[in-house]
Amino acid sequence: DIQMTQSPSSVSASVGDTVSITCRASQGISTWLAWYQQKPGKAPKLLISAASSLQSGVPSRFSGSGSGTDFTLIITNLQPEDFASYFCQQINSFPLTFGGGTKVQIK
Amino acid sequence: EVQLVESGGGSVQPGGSLRLSCEDSGFTFSSLAMNWVRQAPGKGLEWISQISASGGSTFYADSMRGRFIISRENSKNTVYLTINNLKVEDTAVYYCATTVVVTANFFDYWGQGTLVTVSS
Repeated sequence: DIQMTQSPSSVSASVGDTVSITCRASQGISTWLAWYQQKPGKAPKLLISAASSLQSGVPSRFSGSGSGTDFTLIITNLQPEDFASYFCQQINSFPLTFGGGTKVQIK
Repeated sequence: EVQLVESGGGSVQPGGSLRLSCEDSGFTFSSLAMNWVRQAPGKGLEWISQISASGGSTFYADSMRGRFIISRENSKNTVYLTINNLKVEDTAVYYCATTVVVTANFFDYWGQGTLVTVSS
């Protein structure tokens, strides 16, 4: 199975800050990676597919990069609605696996 | 448009069984591979299983193989997850999820989730 290691597990930031979240795969997955945002009590929302492809309607302050084993989600100019949990998911092969998550909290 | 609604969750004793349902009110269900994902309280996301559009192929997380069974009825636009011999650690919100992008395995459509609580 491909293990996904996400860091940090939590980060405190202020409105307007830039936040960077990393995800490392235990083996190469090309760009078969997705990022999700989840708010309390809600289902996850797909932000980015194929490592860097922004989903329709997702603000451009979100960006994804990486290939192989190392990936990054960057949120620039953090907005109040961005305080949430973020998860990466490898979509390269079964079993599909998620990272442990990163909680972006208000400083 | 895909709209997923889960049902069937509730409180159950350890050792019991439960069948969760997920109905799609859209018109493309029979062309969609469907997935189940769960989230224990305060924890991360855990993919459970996928069933192909026709139902002919199924995939499971290693830890879920055996007690968890995914199935579907395309005539009812519904996918099911049967969980047998429930354990306390199966307590979670269970989501069904899918994508309309053929051969992709990310999830751009999710249900609202159904809570399963396993307790004596």
